[in-house]
Amino acid sequence: QQQVKQSPQSLIVQKGGISIINCAYENTAFDYFPWYQQFPGKGPALLIAIRPDVSEKKEGRFTISFNKSAKQFSLHIMDSQPGDSATYFCAAENAGNMLTFGGGTRLMVKP
Amino acid sequence: ETGVTQSPTHLIKTRGQQVTLRCSSQSGHNTVSWYQQALGQGPQFIFQYYREEENGRGNFPPRFSGLQFPNYSSELNVNALELDDSALYLCASSLFGVNEQFFGPGTRLTVL
Repeated sequence: QQQVKQSPQSLIVQKGGISIINCAYENTAFDYFPWYQQFPGKGPALLIAIRPDVSEKKEGRFTISFNKSAKQFSLHIMDSQPGDSATYFCAAENAGNMLTFGGGTRLMVKP
Repeated sequence: ETGVTQSPTHLIKTRGQQVTLRCSSQSGHNTVSWYQQALGQGPQFIFQYYREEENGRGNFPPRFSGLQFPNYSSELNVNALELDDSALYLCASSLFGVNEQFFGPGTRLTVL
């Protein structure tokens, strides 16, 4: 079964802190792992993505860590800001371009 | 560059009715995927259209159907609406063979 499990469901971080969201997948056919950010009333926005042949990818304050053997990947948000408060979704995609999403993490960054 | 647009923004229907949602893909994109996002959950893949044909389908019944037009825009049709169909319907466009999918703002459907 194609599933992506995401944790935690909610996260509260102080401004300037590090936010960490974890995901685990089952299907080894997945070959692309994006993270999306969604604000209330908006569609998901592509944040950063990684392929399984890379263990880490960094773009600005956002870093994906990928552990292929454990079938896990995580998003780290460094120097978290109140404007980062949103719901974050991990996802996994196979060659058919069908995205399988995790359940989401609601992040709140306190000033 | 124009992003993905969807219409209408909100829609209220009653059980048993039919609904059509519309999506215009991002400039240069030829593939459209539709997702259903229930409140508090992640989006669920409904189906994808490429070259005006269905190119993959998730676990949704046949009363969910779609179309893609020569200009790559797309429609999602849902017949015999049920209360559980209440959700945010998202359209995502991409270039076939390229992983990145870009989402529109969604259509909020409420079924009473």
